[in-house]
This record gives sequence, C-alpha cells and structure tokens, in this order.
Amino acid sequence: EAGVAQSPRYKIIEKRQSVAFWCNPISGHATLYWYQQILGQGPKLLIQFQNNGVVDDSQLPKDRFSAERLKGVDSTLKIQPAKLEDSAVYLCASSLHRGTPRNTIYFGEGSWLTVV
Amino acid sequence: RKEVEQDPGPFNVPEGATVAFNCTYSNSASQSFFWYRQDCRKEPKLLMSVYSSGNEDGRFTAQLNRASQYISLLIRDSKLSDSATYLCVVISPGTASKLTFGTGTRLQVTL
Repeated sequence: EAGVAQSPRYKIIEKRQSVAFWCNPISGHATLYWYQQILGQGPKLLIQFQNNGVVDDSQLPKDRFSAERLKGVDSTLKIQPAKLEDSAVYLCASSLHRGTPRNTIYFGEGSWLTVV
Repeated sequence: RKEVEQDPGPFNVPEGATVAFNCTYSNSASQSFFWYRQDCRKEPKLLMSVYSSGNEDGRFTAQLNRASQYISLLIRDSKLSDSATYLCVVISPGTASKLTFGTGTRLQVTL
C-alpha cells in the first residue's frame, strides 16, 4: 500500500518569498493533517481536514499560511510571505476517518523548508 | 502549562539497559494516549497505544496513570536500534481526534 506522498522534499527560499507544499494521502483516507515541526520540538497541528472541509485550523497563522483540499484528496499548503521562523519540516498525515480515538494516523516523509 | 510535557533528554544508556520515560498531560479529560517513535530526519511512526490497564509489546511496556496525569514508556534490554526520539501523544475530548504531541525524549543507546 502506498504511503502518504509529499513534495518537494526540500526547499530553500528567501524571506518574503512564497512556497507551496503538496500532499497526497493514503487512498481512501478521509482525514488529512498538516503539522509543522521545528527542530527540537514535537509536531504542531496547523490544519485538519475531513474530506474537503476544515475541522481545525486554530493554530494556522492565517495571515501568511493557507491550505486547501478541494476535491477531498490531495492537499496544498502555502506560505506567503515566508519568515525566518517558518523554517521547519512540514508533515502531512492522513487517517481513515476521525472520531475513532485509536485510529492510526500515517505521516509522510515531510517537506523540509529553510528560509534564509 | 503545556498540554503535553516530556523531558527532552537525551537519555544515554548502554545496550541491554532498561530505560523509562514519563510524559505528563494537563487536560484531565484526555481520552487517548500513544507513543510515537521518530528517527533522525524521519517522520513519526506509531510505536504503541497506551491502554488504561497498561500494555506490553515485546520489550516495550506502556502505562497510564490517570490520577497523576502521566503516561510512561519502559524499554527493557535496550538495543542500538532503539536510539530515536520518543514522542508522547494525547487526544483530548472535543478536539476532533486532534493529536497533541510532546516535544519528544531523545534516547541514545550505546555499546
């Protein structure tokens, strides 16, 4: 079974530039998550989708971050304009459905962003 | 107070040793608990769920103490391959299965 796919794996941009990350979840998984993991910290949830609807985006810095999952499958996370503190790994994850606490979520390998 | 707190370590232990990590959580109504493992520059992967009665998977034992609001992970007979960061994860009620991660505890097993 194919896992969660993410691209690009690595990106270096200058501050104030924009960047977009793409995620393709495991086939059939209704719930999709974007996490931000800064070096030395645990992953922090940015946004959670259930199909194509947003369930939780309370920690998404909406002045510069946006995300969409238009057809309920692939998702894109965009940062515009980027700041130095956005340097992190952006992890996409998916799970079969929400509402089941022990439902396992699967992570992609992450997109590593460096802002200089 | 952070929702989920862990000692970042690192814990340096010799091969064959037993090592234990604790993780505290702030929301007494939290429902579900997990340990994830993250290797250097890799994505987190589920290690094990934590059940109220405690559970074991080979050399790994997880415990939940609701009264004191902490979970623990015990690793017996440590292997070099156990070297990784261990992330404590909590799901609180009413958060639509949002997983809240601790900062992780780094384990280094040495010869």
